[in-house]
Amino acid sequence: QTVVTQEASFSVSPGGTVTLTCGLSSGSVSTSYYPSWYQQTPGQAPRTLIYNTNTRSSGVPDRFSGSILGNKAALTITGAQADDESDYYCMLYIRSGTWVFGGGTKLTVL
Amino acid sequence: QVQLVESGGGVVQPGRSLRLSCAASGFTFSSYVMHWVRQAPGKGLEWVTLIWYDGSNKYYADSVKGRFTISRDNSKKTLYLQMNSLRAEDTAVYYCGRGISGSASAPLEYWGQGTLVTVSS
Repeated sequence: QTVVTQEASFSVSPGGTVTLTCGLSSGSVSTSYYPSWYQQTPGQAPRTLIYNTNTRSSGVPDRFSGSILGNKAALTITGAQADDESDYYCMLYIRSGTWVFGGGTKLTVL
Repeated sequence: QVQLVESGGGVVQPGRSLRLSCAASGFTFSSYVMHWVRQAPGKGLEWVTLIWYDGSNKYYADSVKGRFTISRDNSKKTLYLQMNSLRAEDTAVYYCGRGISGSASAPLEYWGQGTLVTVSS
């Protein structure tokens, strides 16, 4: 059973920079896992931020960026704003046609 | 603009069946892979199933394999999720989503607003 790991929570100061990560219970995340990132605020549908490691979805500001850092996928938010306070989920392509989400990171901006 | 509208949710007894629909507009439906994702109350997102652009291949999470069936009608621009033998743990908001392309390795790009399924006696 593949488990995708994310930090349960993180906090950042307004204007600051934060990097959230997405790993595997065993093994390393690479571009072959097509990592994607989603933002969700309470009561709303998720919004796609990043797909294929580092491609921003339409309309997503460039202060959101994706990368591979070491053995994990990473989402970096530069110049955090109050409305960035949300849950963030990564999703990885595990094997032929199947995907797995991480447990999500609750980001607080304060 | 891309629009995805789910319908068919509701309250259903354990062991019964339900079919969800997702009506698509604003893009060439027959060119894209489609996903279903669910979210139990207060929990995280769970990927459920995916269907190729032409319906020829389908993939499922282990938690629903053998009970749920994904299908699509490209002429009607509609995605379906047939859910059989429902359990309390299937209670969730179900989202349909469009992939970035027609490939199975295409992650979600656009999401619907979701439809709530409650399995309870």
